[in-house]
Amino acid sequence: AQSVTQPDIHITVSEGASLELRCNYSYGATPYLFWYVQSPGQGLQLLLKYFSGDTLVQGIKGFEAEFKRSQSSFNLRKPSVHWSDAAEYFCAVGLYSGGGADGLTFGKGTHLIIQP
Amino acid sequence: DADVTQTPRNRITKTGKRIMLECSQTKGHDRMYWYRQDPGLGLRLIYYSFDVKDINKGEISDGYSVSRQAQAKFSLSLESAIPNQTALYFCATCGGVTDTQYFGPGTRLTVL
Repeated sequence: AQSVTQPDIHITVSEGASLELRCNYSYGATPYLFWYVQSPGQGLQLLLKYFSGDTLVQGIKGFEAEFKRSQSSFNLRKPSVHWSDAAEYFCAVGLYSGGGADGLTFGKGTHLIIQP
Repeated sequence: DADVTQTPRNRITKTGKRIMLECSQTKGHDRMYWYRQDPGLGLRLIYYSFDVKDINKGEISDGYSVSRQAQAKFSLSLESAIPNQTALYFCATCGGVTDTQYFGPGTRLTVL
């Protein structure tokens, strides 16, 4: 069965510093990969997604992620964080069979804290 | 207006009560999903539907049922609520194989 691991439950970063959130997946086929962000009391917003092609994916809010098949990873990065980036971040892998979208398997999330 | 709406946004109920959570979407998508979110566990898939005649169980369907009344509406029911069903519930829609899933704002359910 597919699974997603986000090794870091909490990460604290100073404002203006760079950020990398880790994500590893286990999936038998070519994965469809996503990063979502959830601000306190809010729903989930898509940051970026990878389906195929260029393994470096650009997203919204200055985020990017790189798909590395050899490492089964899809790490999220941002060169300079802002206080408004404080949130919960979820990595997810898409389940697809028979041409349909069967749902997403999510990691447990990484809580990002921004220090002034 | 939001593309994916959920009602109610908050609900407190008692053990053994039947409760229905509703989801509506204006995106015209065929695929709809129900997830629950628990602290420290991320989101887990409960049920999903490809159209009104196609309902599928997800990872954690026990204790839940769903109804796809129309393309735009997908309801989640707890026939007899229990405290460990206290969670944040999200509905999502998707337009196709390579499309993104769009999430509603969530329903916070508390079972006493």
